[in-house]
Amino acid sequence: KNEVEQSPQNLTAQEGEFITINCSYSVGISALHWLQQHPGGGIVSLFMLSSGKKKHGRLIATINIQEKHSSLHITASHPRDSAVYICAVPVFGNEKLTFGTGTRLTIIP
Amino acid sequence: DTEVTQTPKHLVMGMTNKKSLKCEQHMGHRAMYWYKQKAKKPPELMFVYSYEKLSINESVPSRFSPECPNSSLLNLHLHALQPEDSALYLCASSQDGTATNEKLFFGSGTQLSVL
Repeated sequence: KNEVEQSPQNLTAQEGEFITINCSYSVGISALHWLQQHPGGGIVSLFMLSSGKKKHGRLIATINIQEKHSSLHITASHPRDSAVYICAVPVFGNEKLTFGTGTRLTIIP
Repeated sequence: DTEVTQTPKHLVMGMTNKKSLKCEQHMGHRAMYWYKQKAKKPPELMFVYSYEKLSINESVPSRFSPECPNSSLLNLHLHALQPEDSALYLCASSQDGTATNEKLFFGSGTQLSVL
């Protein structure tokens, strides 16, 4: 069983819809990363959070350490949000991240 | 400057070739990483350099040889690769290597094809 599980694996939505991507993990952590990868490869770090909630523009990330669960929300989704969203947690010491399998999001105009 | 710059963006090489991938950052970060990513899979960690010393080698075959000449530069030397080594190679950096509480900055990657 992967230590980091994401759902859904694929998500297609209409422009303007509210999007939720979920991440569950089985190990004890003190922080979780949300990353975005567009076609073509480059990865952008969206959030790193250890408790509560963070907001950046239309993106909101929440984490519940006790329940080992995090969500990434996108409000007023736009076609440019189409990308793969990956959550990652540090395990086995501080330098190594374990990645989820990613959620492929497609926003249709 | 919050960029991690990787060159080249694309590379095609034969199994007998020797080539190098380069990565550069000027954010003063002291930890630098190489990841390998196959299509539709998450990145896999290959190497970590912390303060210019190799701190993690994830049992990577010796045909991949990392080098950190200084705190801003990271190279990955490639020799006698196999077709299954074709992948996107991503470089990343962070402040000092504690992924627990540091943001990672990624380059745009080198798409490598081995013929």
